[in-house]
Amino acid sequence: GENVEQHPSTLSVQEGDSAVIKCTYSDSASNYFPWYKQELGKRPQLIIDIRSNVGEKKDQRIAVTLNKTAKHFSLHITETQPEDSAVYFCAALQTGANNLFFGTGTRLTVIP
Amino acid sequence: DSGVTQTPKHLITATGQRVTLRCSPRSGDLSVYWYQQSLDQGLQFLIQYYNGEERAKGNILERFSAQQFPDLHSELNLSSLELGDSALYFCASSENWGLDTQYFGPGTRLTVL
Repeated sequence: GENVEQHPSTLSVQEGDSAVIKCTYSDSASNYFPWYKQELGKRPQLIIDIRSNVGEKKDQRIAVTLNKTAKHFSLHITETQPEDSAVYFCAALQTGANNLFFGTGTRLTVIP
Repeated sequence: DSGVTQTPKHLITATGQRVTLRCSPRSGDLSVYWYQQSLDQGLQFLIQYYNGEERAKGNILERFSAQQFPDLHSELNLSSLELGDSALYFCASSENWGLDTQYFGPGTRLTVL
């Protein structure tokens, strides 16, 4: 099956700085990569996703890049704000499969 | 609000007991997924149903079972509960399956004492 690794496990940045979280996946058949944000005790919320026919996708302060050759994808958050503090999970889905494989999460803390 | 609902929000029970968690997917979604999130294990996929049929199985214990009803709501049954079953249980739904976006419900926090 798919194996998704996520780094770093914790990340602290000053408000206004950028944050980057990286994930690698093992199965070259994976072609859908969502990112979820989870606040303490709450549900994971989809913040952005990318499909394999696209190399980059942006939504306001959030962007995701995908490198299919290297099998890695990254989340970029610019101009971070305290409300960005949460745990972020990457995930991968293989063609023909039905379930997401999640990374282990990154706890982002934005220091005011 | 994702449109996925789960009940109950919290459940406290004793070891050896049996509980049922309920999930209603977003209107129009045919697929329901169950995930377990414990402190040391992140988000683990348990099982998926599509239009009433089991579609995929993940790390689901034999003590756990699920089903999806004709109205598309789903129930996750956990029996012979152990302390280690304490976790957040999330349900997610998607329009179809495969590459469709999954939207998560608010979760049920299960505490086994």
